[in-house]
Amino acid sequence: AQTVTQSQPEMSVQEAETVTLSCTYDTSESDYYLFWYKQPPSRQMILVIRQEAYKQQNATENRFSVNFQKAAKSFSLKISDSQLGDAAMYFCAYTNYGQNFVFGPGTRLSVLP
Amino acid sequence: GAVVSQHPSRVICKSGTSVKIECRSLDFQATTMFWYRQFPKQSLMLMATSNEGSKATYEQGVEKDKFLINHASLTLSTLTVTSAHPEDSSFYICSAGTEQETQYFGPGTRLLVL
Repeated sequence: AQTVTQSQPEMSVQEAETVTLSCTYDTSESDYYLFWYKQPPSRQMILVIRQEAYKQQNATENRFSVNFQKAAKSFSLKISDSQLGDAAMYFCAYTNYGQNFVFGPGTRLSVLP
Repeated sequence: GAVVSQHPSRVICKSGTSVKIECRSLDFQATTMFWYRQFPKQSLMLMATSNEGSKATYEQGVEKDKFLINHASLTLSTLTVTSAHPEDSSFYICSAGTEQETQYFGPGTRLLVL
């Protein structure tokens, strides 16, 4: 069965600095999707970024980028120029075609002014 | 685009009553809808998956007679918590899936059973 691990329960970053959140996963599949979702205090799950495993190029969305290392089964999220609004729980998720999402346990990110 | 609404956002009910939660995809047709439960400071726990016009698939340990799911159209799914008890108090989140394997989430429903 697929599993997703986030080894950092909590992280903090100074405003305007850069932070990287770690995610590793286990799968025997060669084609799949990976996601980062953000859950602020409102508890609304928001899609941050999405990566297709067959694409070698790392996905980027404005200040958010990923470092996708397929062989190492690693999918870290880098947040540049951190803002107070980035404070939230961040969940890494995996899915294969037609399969359910597997979520990691989450990393709570604090942004310090 | 890809907006999912969920109603109600909060509900308080007496023990023994039933509560219905609606989940709608507002600007797209969802191939599949999902229902999650989230306990404080924990990740999302999948309860069931539903496809329009067919019976929902429940995860192990989730009582199908307790949590009734109806997926009447490509834009609407409902979760009914029947004969609710205090232990059913939780945060329930729905999501709608797209053909690109992406899930978009509703804002959640906080249920409190007295």
